[in-house]
Amino acid sequence: SQQGEEDPQALSIQEGENATMNCSYKTSINNLQWYRQNSGRGLVHLILIRSNEREKHSGRLRVTLDTSKKSSSLLITASRAADTASYFCATDSTLTFGKGTMLLVSP
Amino acid sequence: KAGVTQTPRYLIKTRGQQVTLSCSPISGHRSVSWYQQTPGQGLQFLFEYFSETQRNKGNFPGRFSGRQFSNSRSEMNVSTLELGDSALYLCASSLGSSEPQHFGDGTRLSIL
Repeated sequence: SQQGEEDPQALSIQEGENATMNCSYKTSINNLQWYRQNSGRGLVHLILIRSNEREKHSGRLRVTLDTSKKSSSLLITASRAADTASYFCATDSTLTFGKGTMLLVSP
Repeated sequence: KAGVTQTPRYLIKTRGQQVTLSCSPISGHRSVSWYQQTPGQGLQFLFEYFSETQRNKGNFPGRFSGRQFSNSRSEMNVSTLELGDSALYLCASSLGSSEPQHFGDGTRLSIL
């Protein structure tokens, strides 16, 4: 299994601050994906980064990938209360997920 | 276009019963995967179907089974329900391997 493991388990910040979450995995990958889950809902795909990419941006999201360290990070800039959710990473096709990072953004 | 639809949204069963959950993928998506989510174990992969064939399977007992129909709709069945089967069951569809998955809002199954 190519499970992604997110770190930290929980993160609490104020609106306007940046939030950084990390993901580590164990084997070679073709791509890594980040998802968001609001309480009681399904996961929503945020961004996909391929193994030959080092950084990718989408709006206030920035994802980096370091294949030598088998790690990725998700940065959310200028966070909003609506960003409050759990964030998961997953690698490759048969997606296995970690337990996620629970982000709380306070107004 | 319509998203992934899972029915029912909530279900209450008792131990020993069986249950069937349904998932309608996004039109054109041939891959459907199922996941179990619990507070203790997190999000765990159950199985993936592609063009009516089970392509991958997670580490779950044989009580958990599934199938996919020619229109890509999928069902998941759990027999001889146990208290520990209480969970949110999520279905996701995609165009294929390594493509982003689109999730439904899940079926919340409670076992009494």
